[in-house]
Amino acid sequence: NAGVTQTPKFQVLKTGQSMTLQCAQDMNHEYMSWYRQDPGMGLRLIHYSVGAGITDQGEVPNGYNVSRSTTEDFPLRLLSAAPSQTSVYFCASRALAGGHTGELFFGEGSRLTVL
Amino acid sequence: DAKTTQPNSMESNEEEPVHLPCNHSTISGTDYIHWYRQLPSQGPEYVIHGLTSNVNNRMASLAIAEDRKSSTLILHRATLRDAAVYYCILVPSGTYKYIFGTGTRLKVLA
Repeated sequence: NAGVTQTPKFQVLKTGQSMTLQCAQDMNHEYMSWYRQDPGMGLRLIHYSVGAGITDQGEVPNGYNVSRSTTEDFPLRLLSAAPSQTSVYFCASRALAGGHTGELFFGEGSRLTVL
Repeated sequence: DAKTTQPNSMESNEEEPVHLPCNHSTISGTDYIHWYRQLPSQGPEYVIHGLTSNVNNRMASLAIAEDRKSSTLILHRATLRDAAVYYCILVPSGTYKYIFGTGTRLKVLA
């Protein structure tokens, strides 16, 4: 029972490089989202999606792109990495059935360092 | 979006009850109150949620004030494994923006 899978778990980038953080879930959840967590801080919402072809911005969307072409996958793209994007990134998903009572399931996180 | 306010940190002795408070004075009538916790080096995990009535599950209890402007997460017997950051969040009606804030870091003393 895989749940929410994030890859890679660790990544080091140089300033200006691009990369994609992958997130996949096998629970047929319509809702998926990306958060970042800086040291000693809480989680901040970057982008979220309520279904294939539908995405929306969270609290801190600048510098990140997302797309949702399938129910299972929700990749997060950094087009030109900056040191300020050094963080731990978490992907989460939930079923939309049940309205606002649904439980979020989180991945184990991806630690990104931008030099 | 409605905000929540939590103490930065709390301490508890092992096997004693813990009451974690959360203020949400600008809560809307249809906002659900959710609690998550984040163990060290892990992603957050769901604990409990409620709307108006008190709720119990195998992990914890949630007490919601009558005016809904505050709530309390109750761990009935804290264990060392309960040491974590606890987040109180409001899930607004009509959107799916789960805004986490900084949470309360719970330290459990042996």
